[in-house]
Amino acid sequence: QVQLQESGPGLVKPSETLSLICTVSGDSISNYFWTWIRQPAGKGLEWIGRIYTSGSTNYSPSLKSRVTMSVDTSQNQFSLKLTSVTAADTAVYYCARGPGGATREAFDVWGLGTMVTVSS
Amino acid sequence: QSALTQPASVSGSPGQSITISCTGTSSDVGSYNRVSWYQQHPGKAPKLMIYEVSDRPSGVSNRFSGSKSGNTASLTISGLQAEDEADYYCSSFTSSITWVFGGGTKVTVL
Repeated sequence: QVQLQESGPGLVKPSETLSLICTVSGDSISNYFWTWIRQPAGKGLEWIGRIYTSGSTNYSPSLKSRVTMSVDTSQNQFSLKLTSVTAADTAVYYCARGPGGATREAFDVWGLGTMVTVSS
Repeated sequence: QSALTQPASVSGSPGQSITISCTGTSSDVGSYNRVSWYQQHPGKAPKLMIYEVSDRPSGVSNRFSGSKSGNTASLTISGLQAEDEADYYCSSFTSSITWVFGGGTKVTVL
């Protein structure tokens, strides 16, 4: 049974870079798309972007200028970098599997989420 | 890209059926059968309930069903139970090769 686990600093200073890693266990990371989604406290879900194991990416237009995703198949991990963060980037960040590739056109497996606060 | 439009809240009594709408545009919901629905209990990660408009993952109760007409997708919960009280989000693929979520609907079991 595939499981996802987000990891990274829980506190990031304004204007710095938020960096998160998602570790995949129970299955190979290959042949799937992998996605980052965030949720500010009390608000809805926001799609950040996705990456295929080939390294091909698609990003949200509103975040595209600040987002970089990468994948490390040897470690069964993928990562998110968000630059020039502000308080508006404070949220729970989720990693998820899909959509597409070897799985359904949906986010079918989710990590538990990690809270990231942007504050000095 | 604009978020999909969902009602802020829907309520029903145990045993009743409720329907949550998710309205998009011809650039997302109206053009693709890549609509999915997620259930989120407080403090928990979302859980996939419906994918590709109307398919259910194994383990999801058949009380949950999905449909689509034009630019609007719908999630119906029949035989409402106390455990169904949660937030529900729809999501759709878009013509920009991105995904967009709805604002979420809080379901209350009276």
